[in-house]
Formats: sequence, structure tokens, C-alpha cells
Amino acid sequence: GAVVSQHPSWVICKSGTSVKIECRSLDFQATTMFWYRQFPKQSLMLMATSNEGSKATYEQGVEKDKFLINHASLTLSTLTVTSAHPEDSSFYICSAPPRVNYGYTFGSGTRLTVV
Amino acid sequence: AQRVTQPEKLLSVFKGAPVELKCNYSYSGSPELFWYVQYSRQRLQLLLRHISRESIKGFTADLNKGETSFHLKKPFAQEEDSAMYYCALRGGATNKLIFGTGTLLAVQP
Repeated sequence: GAVVSQHPSWVICKSGTSVKIECRSLDFQATTMFWYRQFPKQSLMLMATSNEGSKATYEQGVEKDKFLINHASLTLSTLTVTSAHPEDSSFYICSAPPRVNYGYTFGSGTRLTVV
Repeated sequence: AQRVTQPEKLLSVFKGAPVELKCNYSYSGSPELFWYVQYSRQRLQLLLRHISRESIKGFTADLNKGETSFHLKKPFAQEEDSAMYYCALRGGATNKLIFGTGTLLAVQP
């Protein structure tokens, strides 16, 4: 199988608080996980790649201290939005890298609203 | 630099009409191209990829290296084809996917 479970589906938080988004590979192991951000009616922008057992690799322009990415195990990757602000409101999606016969597997996404 | 361009944000057609969703890419090497579809309230799904040369749900896409294009086509659109379509590119040694801005296909009855 190739299922990626992402939680929560949506979250509302107050400015200044932190929010953690989890992405789990349910029936396979993933040594890396991609994290995307999608603004309304726009494309998916790759934010970073989490790596099991080592530091995440961030794309240019992404604040490492704001978007903390951790790959705790071969089945869990997390994205923590720290000190959230309204401009962080967006749709965040994780994706496992391609595997034979399955290709890339995407999570269902998390809608973050910061008020 | 790797880049994927989808010039149309919205494409509206009538049921039974032909559909062509445009995708152009910029990449210096040999890329791998994909089309992903996102139906309302569902996660992204792979529609097809150029290396497979397959037809899924009646859609086909041919990689044209001369024109650096990977347009998605279907001869007769169906209402259930209404969705957001993303063209994506993978190049180089990494597994990173670079997405286009997406085209919303609306098939009218």
C-alpha cells in the first residue's frame, strides 16, 4: 500500500502560538518527506524536505526557525509552525517520495488559519 | 532553473468537447513530467506520467522536448473531469517535484 495520513485536517490558532502538523506513512517506511505550502488558487510550493535521522533541507526563502521540520522515525514527519501569524495561514501538504508502482503519495493536507 | 508553466488558470468547456491543458517546462537536462489531479475536497492524485505513455481516464500527454511541452489532452470531456490539474516536473538526482500553478477545468453540462 501507499497511504500517507496527515493530521489535523484543519486547525485554527491564535497569533503567537505554535501548531504542529503530523504526517505518517501508514503502510510503508519513508526516509524523507516533502512539505509543501499552497496558497489559495495557487500552486504547491516546496518548503522543505525532512530527512530521517538528520536535519531537514529547506528551500530558498523558507524560514527554518519558523517552520520546524522533524523526521522522528521512518513513519513520522512533523511540521511545526512557530509563533504563527495570520500570513502563515495556508494549506500545508506533505508527500512521500516516489516508490516503485506507487509514485509520490500525498497527504490530505492541513488548512491552517491563524487569527 | 527548473520551472513549470501552466498559462491557463481556468479552462471551461462543454461536455463532449475536446480538452487541452497546456504545460511548458524549463529544465536543462532530461526531466520526468507528471500530471496530477485534485478533485474537490480530495488529495492530489497522479493522473499520468510521460515515461508510462499511458492513457488514464481518457487523458493522454506527450512529451515534446523540442517545444518543452507536456500538454494534457482528452478528446471528449466529461462532467466528472472537472477538477484542478497540476503539471509537475522532477529533474536531477533529487526526488523534488516542482509544480505548475495549476489549471481549473470546468466541464459544463
